Amino acid sequence: AQKVTQAQTEISVVEKEDVTLDCVYETRDTTYYLFWYKQPPSGELVFLIRRNSFDEQNEISGRYSWNFQKSTSSFNFTITASQVVDSAVYFCALSEAGRFSGANSKLTFGKGITLSVRP
Amino acid sequence: NAGVTQTPKFQVLKTGQSMTLQCAQDMNHEYMSWYRQDPGMGLRLIHYSVGAGITDQGEVPNGYNVSRSTTEDFPLRLLSAAPSQTSVYFCASASWGANYGYTFGSGTRLTVV
Repeated sequence: AQKVTQAQTEISVVEKEDVTLDCVYETRDTTYYLFWYKQPPSGELVFLIRRNSFDEQNEISGRYSWNFQKSTSSFNFTITASQVVDSAVYFCALSEAGRFSGANSKLTFGKGITLSVRP
Repeated sequence: NAGVTQTPKFQVLKTGQSMTLQCAQDMNHEYMSWYRQDPGMGLRLIHYSVGAGITDQGEVPNGYNVSRSTTEDFPLRLLSAAPSQTSVYFCASASWGANYGYTFGSGTRLTVV
């Protein structure tokens, strides 16, 4: 069975600080996909990134970066120079590419990390 | 493109009532699924579908039914509402193999009294 653990429940930082959100996953599959989603106070879920298990390259998108390490089963998310607009709940999620499922299949979510960025 | 459309946005039910949460997508996505979000629990999968006519149970399927007669629609039926089903419900869709994740609807906030 697959599992995603987000051990941090709430993080509070001051604007312009860097912050890292941790994600640890468990899966028996060799092919799987990892995701991060953002849920701002308005409630919608916003896709941030998808990473497959064969690609351990770190990803950078503006102030956002992701560090995927298969050796530690982690897929951490760093926000550089945080801003008030980054305040949201962030979810890490995992999907397995089983026999009848494709790259986008049922997702298992972590419980989420509430990030508060104070001005 | 409207994306994923969920209706209604808010609903109050009495215990024992039944209702259907509607979900429609116009992106021709193969995958559709229903999640519920409860405080401190993240999102938990209720039911999912890999194509028209094919559905399967997720982590928390009890008390819910689904069907997928068309690619576009994936309604979620509450058979006999219970207070434990008070939650925010999200419908989502995705394309096989596309290099992005699920697209989520805006959610339905359901209260069962």
